[in-house]
Amino acid sequence: QKEVEQNSGPLSVPEGAIASLNCTYSDRGSQSFFWYRQYSGKSPELIMSIYSNGDKEDGRFTAQLNKASQYVSLLIRDSQPSDSATYLCAVKSGYSTLTFGKGTMLLVSP
Amino acid sequence: DAGVTQSPTHLIKTRGQQVTLRCSPKSGHDTVSWYQQALGQGPQFIFQYYEEEERQRGNFPDRFSGHQFPNYSSELNVNALLLGDSALYLCASSDRGQNTYYEQYFGPGTRLTVT
Repeated sequence: QKEVEQNSGPLSVPEGAIASLNCTYSDRGSQSFFWYRQYSGKSPELIMSIYSNGDKEDGRFTAQLNKASQYVSLLIRDSQPSDSATYLCAVKSGYSTLTFGKGTMLLVSP
Repeated sequence: DAGVTQSPTHLIKTRGQQVTLRCSPKSGHDTVSWYQQALGQGPQFIFQYYEEEERQRGNFPDRFSGHQFPNYSSELNVNALLLGDSALYLCASSDRGQNTYYEQYFGPGTRLTVT
């Protein structure tokens, strides 16, 4: 059973701080890793994808991948109240399907 | 550039009934995947369609079936609805030909309530 684990939170950070979201996965053969943001009542929105060990930066977002430790993280710099949402970690398993974690709720207070 | 579209937005059905949900993929995408998301959970993979065939299937009973049309749009059918089928049903599209890593983009979802 391929699993993706995330802390359900909520993770509370003040506005302007760095939010750090973590994810571990069980399938060592996984090759692609994704972070989705989901606002309450809405569908998931792809915000980051990472395929190689190391860091990948896009604006205020940095995704970090460590395949040896089977660990993926997402850093959000200068957090804004509009970043308050559930962040879903997803791992490509099988040919092209995604296995999701349950998500971490992030709350950014003004 | 049109994104993924789904219809209807909301649906209320009675136990035992059948339902059909529809999805049109993002322009240029040829692969459609369906997911079920229960409240407080991550999306769970139902199945994926490519070239009008079901290519992979998750751990869902045969009551869940689908179809893909030549224009790449897709339908999800659920028969003999159970209360536990109440969820947000998400369609995701991707481009198998161009996108080696298969980034998937979700539609707005269909909220199904079974009473």
